[in-house]
Amino acid sequence: GQQLNQSPQSMFIQEGEDVSMNCTSSSIFNTWLWYKQDPGEGPVLLIALYKAGELTSNGRLTAQFGITRKDSFLNISASIPSDVGIYFCAGLASGGGADGLTFGKGTHLIIQP
Amino acid sequence: DSGVTQTPKHLITATGQRVTLRCSPRSGDLSVYWYQQSLDQGLQFLIQYYNGEERAKGNILERFSAQQFPDLHSELNLSSLELGDSALYFCASSVGLAHNEQFFGPGTRLTVL
Repeated sequence: GQQLNQSPQSMFIQEGEDVSMNCTSSSIFNTWLWYKQDPGEGPVLLIALYKAGELTSNGRLTAQFGITRKDSFLNISASIPSDVGIYFCAGLASGGGADGLTFGKGTHLIIQP
Repeated sequence: DSGVTQTPKHLITATGQRVTLRCSPRSGDLSVYWYQQSLDQGLQFLIQYYNGEERAKGNILERFSAQQFPDLHSELNLSSLELGDSALYFCASSVGLAHNEQFFGPGTRLTVL
């Protein structure tokens, strides 16, 4: 099945810094989703992207659907303590959803005060 | 709160046993998805039901089965449990068939001893 390479695996940053993470795939995806998961909870949907080149914001979060359809990026501006958690990208491949959503391994965001 | 509920929150059982996990989707959602999250494999799609019918299958073992009832709640049955089945099991729901914006429940943590 498809695989998503998400990087970085973890990030240690200072409060107030901007954050960037990305996902790449060897296959074309027609939907990209970004989720955040806090310890002991389920993933929470942050942003959904449906068109190549699309740039979508949700507050301090901005995500882009890469023009090659094989990658996506998530940026967080001016990080705050509640941004701590694991961020997952997920993709839905072209040709239908027979495989369901494919998830990256996650980016652990740790904010140092 | 995503509106997706899952019970039980925690489950501890022994190898060889069978358990049933339950999920109620968000009001109005017709699709239910099951995912397994383990430390080494990440989030893996297991199976999707839409309006009572199985619509997509992922990496689901033959020992596992699911169903969706007329009231749209779903159950995931895990049998002949092995130590390696210990994981978080998430249910997600979406409005339609197309796997797009999926909303996750809080998960069931299964421990097999």
